[in-house]
Amino acid sequence: DAGVIQSPRHEVTEMGQEVTLRCKPISGHNSLFWYRQTMMRGLELLIYFNNNVPIDDSGMPEDRFSAKMPNASFSTLKIQPSEPRDSAVYFCASSLGRTEYEQYFGPGTRLTVT
Amino acid sequence: KNQVEQSPQSLIILEGKNCTLQCNYTVSPFSNLRWYKQDTGRGPVSLTIMTFSENTKSNGRYTATLDADTKQSSLHITASQLSDSASYICVVSCSNDYKLSFGAGTTVTVRA
Repeated sequence: DAGVIQSPRHEVTEMGQEVTLRCKPISGHNSLFWYRQTMMRGLELLIYFNNNVPIDDSGMPEDRFSAKMPNASFSTLKIQPSEPRDSAVYFCASSLGRTEYEQYFGPGTRLTVT
Repeated sequence: KNQVEQSPQSLIILEGKNCTLQCNYTVSPFSNLRWYKQDTGRGPVSLTIMTFSENTKSNGRYTATLDADTKQSSLHITASQLSDSASYICVVSCSNDYKLSFGAGTTVTVRA
């Protein structure tokens, strides 16, 4: 298995632009997690899907952030409009179930908003 | 508030030496505790997962311990190698919901 796949690996954009991050979970996994990591705040859970349904988006910073999971093999995290403070590494992880199961992380997308 | 505190924040050790990282948590009710290793520029990779009934778990040269009574865990690295240079993150799961509480991590640097 190729593991969790994320694209792009790096994204540089200007403030105000729309940014879309993509994730393909491991086949057969029914849970998908989006995380953000910064030096100041460490790893933060943004949103969690189970069987393609958003379970809890309480970690999403504000309305500028949205996430979708149209099918079991694809998810997107969108920021519109982007701001410099959104600069971070965004990780996607998948698992066979909820937090009692092992989570497998993707390589991350490094986002820089200038 | 569920919290996970890790210490030290960073440490430097010589290749071949041992080291121990600490994790204290207040998460309740407790479900499981896991240690992740994160190499620079990569996603975290799980080293160990321990439930309430487990007090020791090993993965090669990595040994994690858990004292659920005192809510403390440690990660011991034996005979360190240069490839052990990474950030080690302690993550605790609450059994009421899916939520995970993350520690800030300990950055380990192994020098030749």
